[in-house]
Parts: sequence; C-alpha cells; structure tokens
Amino acid sequence: DAKTTQPTSMDCAEGRAANLPCNHSTISGNEYVYWYRQIHSQGPQYIIHGLKNNETNEMASLIITEDRKSSTLILPHATLRDTAVYYCIVRGGGADGLTFGKGTHLIIQP
Amino acid sequence: GAVVSQHPSRVICKSGTSVKIECRSLDFQATTMFWYRQFPKKSLMLMATSNEGSKATYEQGVEKDKFLINHASLTLSTLTVTSAHPEDSSFYICSARDRSSGSYEQYFGPGTRLTVT
Repeated sequence: DAKTTQPTSMDCAEGRAANLPCNHSTISGNEYVYWYRQIHSQGPQYIIHGLKNNETNEMASLIITEDRKSSTLILPHATLRDTAVYYCIVRGGGADGLTFGKGTHLIIQP
Repeated sequence: GAVVSQHPSRVICKSGTSVKIECRSLDFQATTMFWYRQFPKKSLMLMATSNEGSKATYEQGVEKDKFLINHASLTLSTLTVTSAHPEDSSFYICSARDRSSGSYEQYFGPGTRLTVT
C-alpha cells in the first residue's frame, strides 16, 4: 500500500468547514483513498473512499486531485463531536487488513 | 447497518491467565474479519486476518500460539490471548468486511481494553 502523509494536528472552529489534507504521491493506478476516524477510546469509523472522482456522502466530501497524488477530506460543518484522529489510507482493492499511519488529530474548538 | 460488536468491552486479568475476546457482525455476514491492537497514543496495528472456516493469517512478529484466532461462523471471530502478561495490555479492535458488499470498506467494533496485572 502506498504511504500517506498527514499533518499531525489541526484546529477548526465549530460550524466551519474542516479541510484535512493527505499526500499520497506514490499511489498507483488501482489504489483507492480511504478515510477513517477514531474518536478517543472507540473503534475507527469508516467515513468515505474514492478512486479518481470526488465523492460525497452524508458525513463528508472527498476531493482527489487530478494526478491523484493528494486528497482532501472535507467536513462541511464541523461539530464538537467531530474531534477525533482522522486516518487517510491508500490501498488496492482486496480483502487485506488496513495499514494505519499516525493520522491527523482534528480538534474542533467551540 | 454494518454493526460490529465486541465482548467484553474491558477486562482485567491476572498474569498467566487466558482471555477470550469475541467479535460479532450483527447485521451482515463477514467472510473476513481482522484483529488490530492499539497501544496508548499509538496507531492501530494489524495483528491477523481471520477467514471463516480456515486458519488465520498472522502479521510478522505476531505469535500465533499466543494470540489464538477462531472464525467458526460468518458472524463470529474470537481472539484468545493465552498466558497473558502485562505487556499484552492493550486496546484490541476487530473489524469485518461485509460479504455481500461490492466494496472493501471495513466496519470496526468498539474495541476491548485488556489490562493484565
């Protein structure tokens, strides 16, 4: 699986959009970008994933650059409950386990 | 949908005893389940992949005789930590992949906090 680079931590004001970047410059053509988050002392939660096109669901939007070397997870209206560690994971299709990096600790400020 | 449960949520045991942790997919069938371990302030690390009806596949450095995995049905996988020691104290998390889903996202359980005294 390709390596990802994320900022260690970020702050965002409640009610504003939280934009979390991820670099994955070595991504290969068949690898997807997945985002998970982990609220303190809980299991990770799946957020969204994409291959080439931008994706949106009820939780977030995923913007992938045209060269696919980076992506941004957008939480449109952050709430205090969005405070968590966000993991960007790049992997091919298949039934393999996930390789978690250090992620970004997003802190939503009231 | 796609709910995964774990039992117990936390357990304290004495050194030398064995502890069993259950992972269940509540509303879907999971051909494949995964076990992860997370030490304080660290990221999750994959321990093993559990396939229904076959032997688990362990990651490098994970002792298969110490961490016994059984995946007896499409909704249940168990992890038994044998002869537990204080260094086995950790947060153990399982995940499952929906067999009927065409995609590969994994759904995680809430985790089990093991403390070995």
